[in-house]
Amino acid sequence: RKEVEQDPGPFNVPEGATVAFNCTYSNSASQSFFWYRQDCRKEPKLLMSVYSSGNEDGRFTAQLNRASQYISLLIRDSKLSDSATYLCAVNGKHNAGNMLTFGGGTRLMVKP
Amino acid sequence: DAGVIQSPRHEVTEMGQEVTLRCKPISGHDYLFWYRQTMMRGLELLIYFNNNVPIDDSGMPEDRFSAKMPNASFSTLKIQPSEPRDSAVYFCASSFVGEVDTQYFGPGTRLTVL
Repeated sequence: RKEVEQDPGPFNVPEGATVAFNCTYSNSASQSFFWYRQDCRKEPKLLMSVYSSGNEDGRFTAQLNRASQYISLLIRDSKLSDSATYLCAVNGKHNAGNMLTFGGGTRLMVKP
Repeated sequence: DAGVIQSPRHEVTEMGQEVTLRCKPISGHDYLFWYRQTMMRGLELLIYFNNNVPIDDSGMPEDRFSAKMPNASFSTLKIQPSEPRDSAVYFCASSFVGEVDTQYFGPGTRLTVL
């Protein structure tokens, strides 16, 4: 089983739709969780951290479910510009320093 | 401020040749990471440094890969000899202990080994 798993998609949604992605992780000792966004042929960029109580940033909501070991990302009112690959990241197997393990990414395509 | 700088941005080489990838982290950052990204395996951590010292190199695929960080502002990832299966995008990222949660990625080096 991979340490961090995501549905690769693609998720094809119309503009204005609400879409949600999940990401499961295997290391129950993980303490830090993140969502990164990666545009085609670009580098990953931090979208948001995921806090235990859940957190929201505009149209984006991230949640953590420790019992089931997954994190989620909800995007409301999807825009064409949201089309990208969304990578979840979990602090790594050694739970040491800043080591992150990334999921394979979920591709989102928002269509007019 | 300049972000993480990587060079070259693209590299095409022939099997058996030595390849050197370069990275300049963000000034003041004390962690530096090298990743490799392929369609098949996703984004994989190869090695990371803290204060120029290699901390974990368990992701380095084999002895053909080596990485150094001679000072706080420069790191190299070397592949010798290169093989076609090394073709990938190689990213360098940096972070600092005061903002431990955030890694800033460079634009990557797209390596093609023929």
